[in-house]
Amino acid sequence: DIQMTQSPSSLSASVGDRVTITCRASQSISSYLNWYQQKPGKAPKLLIYAASSLQSGVPSRFSGSGSGTDFTLTISSLQPEDFATYYCQQSYSTPPVTFGQGTRLEIK
Amino acid sequence: EVQLVESGGGLVQPGGSLRLSCAASGFTFSSYSMNWVRQAPGKGLEWVSYISSSSSTIYYADSVKGRFTISRDNAKNSLYLQMNSLRDEDTAVYYCAREFLGATTFDYWGQGTLVTVSS
Repeated sequence: DIQMTQSPSSLSASVGDRVTITCRASQSISSYLNWYQQKPGKAPKLLIYAASSLQSGVPSRFSGSGSGTDFTLTISSLQPEDFATYYCQQSYSTPPVTFGQGTRLEIK
Repeated sequence: EVQLVESGGGLVQPGGSLRLSCAASGFTFSSYSMNWVRQAPGKGLEWVSYISSSSSTIYYADSVKGRFTISRDNAKNSLYLQMNSLRDEDTAVYYCAREFLGATTFDYWGQGTLVTVSS
């Protein structure tokens, strides 16, 4: 199984900050990497697919990059509604589908 | 508007059974593969099971293999998860999720249904 590791596990930032979350795969997954946002009590929401493609309706301040084993999710200017938990997920070798452990983004 | 609505969760004793349902609307259900993903309280996301659009291909996570059965009824626009021999560690919110582009990417999720396994 492919293991996905996110860093950091939690992060404090302020509105307007630029934030980067990292996801590393245990083996190369090409660009088969997705990012989700989850707010408390809500279902996850797809933000980025295929490492860098922005899902329809997602604000352009979100961007993704990377290939192979190392990927990043960047929020260019944090908005109050962006405080949530973010998960990466590999879609290269399934089953099983595997997710990162999550990165909790909190208000500083 | 795409909608996925889960139901069937609740409290069940260890060793018991439960059947979850996911009602789909707003898209051609029979054209999409579907998945179940769960989240234990305070924990991350764990993929549970996959079913192709025609039910010809089915996969399970090792943690549920032999105990859970995924199925669908395209005439009723519904997805199911039959859960048997439930364990404490199956306690979680269970989400159904639509697969996007046939590439194990989940573009729409239901609101989730809570399954609590406890004596």
